[in-house]
Amino acid sequence: DSGVTQTPKHLITATGQRVTLRCSPRSGDLSVYWYQQSLDQGLQFLIQYYNGEERAKGNILERFSAQQFPDLHSELNLSSLELGDSALYFCASSSNGAGERNEQFFGPGTRLTVL
Amino acid sequence: AQKITQTQPGMFVQEKEAVTLDCTYDTSDQSYGLFWYKQPSSGEMIFLIYQGSYDEQNATEGRYSLNFQKARKSANLVISASQLGDSAMYFCALAASGAGSYQLTFGKGTKLSVIP
Repeated sequence: DSGVTQTPKHLITATGQRVTLRCSPRSGDLSVYWYQQSLDQGLQFLIQYYNGEERAKGNILERFSAQQFPDLHSELNLSSLELGDSALYFCASSSNGAGERNEQFFGPGTRLTVL
Repeated sequence: AQKITQTQPGMFVQEKEAVTLDCTYDTSDQSYGLFWYKQPSSGEMIFLIYQGSYDEQNATEGRYSLNFQKARKSANLVISASQLGDSAMYFCALAASGAGSYQLTFGKGTKLSVIP
């Protein structure tokens, strides 16, 4: 158990819908990362938050957004869902979000299926 | 740009034997970190081992060791005394500041199957 929690574990929805994925980092970790894992794209970085502020953006679509709240939990919002958004979405956390020894601990993931 | 290449889509190893999973990387940063993660069929990502670019010694964590060759830009994972529970996908990842943040750039992964 990494100490990172993600809910829900599974999510099935229809095209055009909007969903929210939730992540609670390990106790004491200030930085949260979101990654998407799909068969065709592999594991891709989406976005990072550090202590409530956005720090870096990766290959995140404009239909996707995220935020980190004062209690440090984070939410990833996916809207106007398409079939291609079906993937495993991981949240990871680290203590400081900087430095090459930025050991990230991953949550169990949310498996999103868009029908 | 940061890049990780894992050239072995799949590997087989006999139980109790050692196996090496290959990883090469590309970055223009002088300071960076290399990570290996294990992903069993259940889906979670498990951190295995870390190697820093300035670490003089190869990293070891139990049965895992990292064969780090900086000049060749390779960071191969060695698993000794393979166990059936080692069957999983293994991902090599790079953390460097070149992208503006130390997020991880992952390779495509290697699927390891341990044969009894």
